[in-house]
Amino acid sequence: RKEVEQDPGPFNVPEGATVAFNCTYSNSASQSFFWYRQDCRKEPKLLMSVYSSGNEDGRFTAQLNRASQYISLLIRDSKLSDSATYLCVVDSGAGSYQLTFGKGTKLSVIP
Amino acid sequence: NAGVMQNPRHLVRRRGQEARLRCSPMKGHSHVYWYRQLPEEGLKFMVYLQKENIIDESGMPKERFSAEFPKEGPSILRIQQVVRGDSAAYFCASSPGGQGSNEQFFGPGTRLTVL
Repeated sequence: RKEVEQDPGPFNVPEGATVAFNCTYSNSASQSFFWYRQDCRKEPKLLMSVYSSGNEDGRFTAQLNRASQYISLLIRDSKLSDSATYLCVVDSGAGSYQLTFGKGTKLSVIP
Repeated sequence: NAGVMQNPRHLVRRRGQEARLRCSPMKGHSHVYWYRQLPEEGLKFMVYLQKENIIDESGMPKERFSAEFPKEGPSILRIQQVVRGDSAAYFCASSPGGQGSNEQFFGPGTRLTVL
């Protein structure tokens, strides 16, 4: 089983749509969870950390389900500039600095 | 507001040559991490360093690869006798360290091409 698994997509959605990405992770000891976005041939950029209680940042909402080892990202009112690959990232264990990256889900927002 | 800096951005080497990749962490950050991203793959952890110390190199190949973070100057990832399979994007990340925060911020990467 892959450590961090994501649907590779691509997700092609019209501007203004709501889109959701899911991710599962295999290490039950993981304590820190993040969503990064990566544009083509660029570095990953931290989008948001994911907390147990769920958290929201503008149009973006992240949820964590520890029991199911499942993380989600919801993007509302999609913009063209949201087109990117979204990376689900978890740490390798409690307090670990090693981050394990999923391969990413590609999103294309269409005019 | 300098972020993580890496150079060179692109590096071309012939098989058997050496590649040296440099990374300057974000101001105020004392922890540096190197990751490698092969085409169509996720980023893979290689090594974690603090000033003058290698904390964890468990993700780094045992041969030909080395890393350092000297007291003065940038962190260096060194690949000796490069092979075609070393072609990849190498990203450096930094964090402030300390308890409770392992958010890592990435540099623009060095794209290594081995001919």
